[in-house]
Amino acid sequence: DTAVSQTPKYLVTQMGNDKSIKCEQNLGHDTMYWYKQDSKKFLKIMFSYNNKELIINETVPNRFSPKSPDKAHLNLHINSLELGDSAVYFCASSVTGELFFGEGSRLTVL
Amino acid sequence: QKEVEQDPGPLSVPEGAIVSLNCTYSNSAFQYFMWYRQYSRKGPELLMYTYSSGNKEDGRFTAQVDKSSKYISLFIRDSQPSDSATYLCAMSPILTGGGNKLTFGTGTQLKVEL
Repeated sequence: DTAVSQTPKYLVTQMGNDKSIKCEQNLGHDTMYWYKQDSKKFLKIMFSYNNKELIINETVPNRFSPKSPDKAHLNLHINSLELGDSAVYFCASSVTGELFFGEGSRLTVL
Repeated sequence: QKEVEQDPGPLSVPEGAIVSLNCTYSNSAFQYFMWYRQYSRKGPELLMYTYSSGNKEDGRFTAQVDKSSKYISLFIRDSQPSDSATYLCAMSPILTGGGNKLTFGTGTQLKVEL
């Protein structure tokens, strides 16, 4: 029974396209996150939502738009994809300090 | 200079060896220190969590924090092939229920060989 699940696991798309990644957690946590992990394994926070409210918004291009329809879901929509957007995107949730990560969505922009 | 520095490895050790993984950091406001393990093609999972300076032990794993030197370590005793993974340190000045901005190291890739 997966705690944090993301779909799709793999995305291959052309530059300029728009794509979405969905995330759902069944842990009952109030806080959810999007992290980006680059090819060198560097993991950097992008956004955090607490009970559907945006609380952390790092310096991320506004082509990236998160949406939280309820506290169990946090989706990420990316417009006008660029080559530099290629990365693994991780969704996570937490109730205190411990982050529970999903398995990641590997995005490749050609 | 990055806020958190971690040797990327790869680090290759024989089964049964003691492994030492380390991170240095520059932000003296960091109070909470974590180690995450990430298997290939998987998400990171929390291994150890320490507040402020000191040691914490959990089975074969020991986490050490030396705030005066801004240096943290993870020791793995009797290493097993199943310990082969990337180990990421992470730290934060505070931890709340409302959203925490962890700063991660780049991870050290560990391979434990038979």
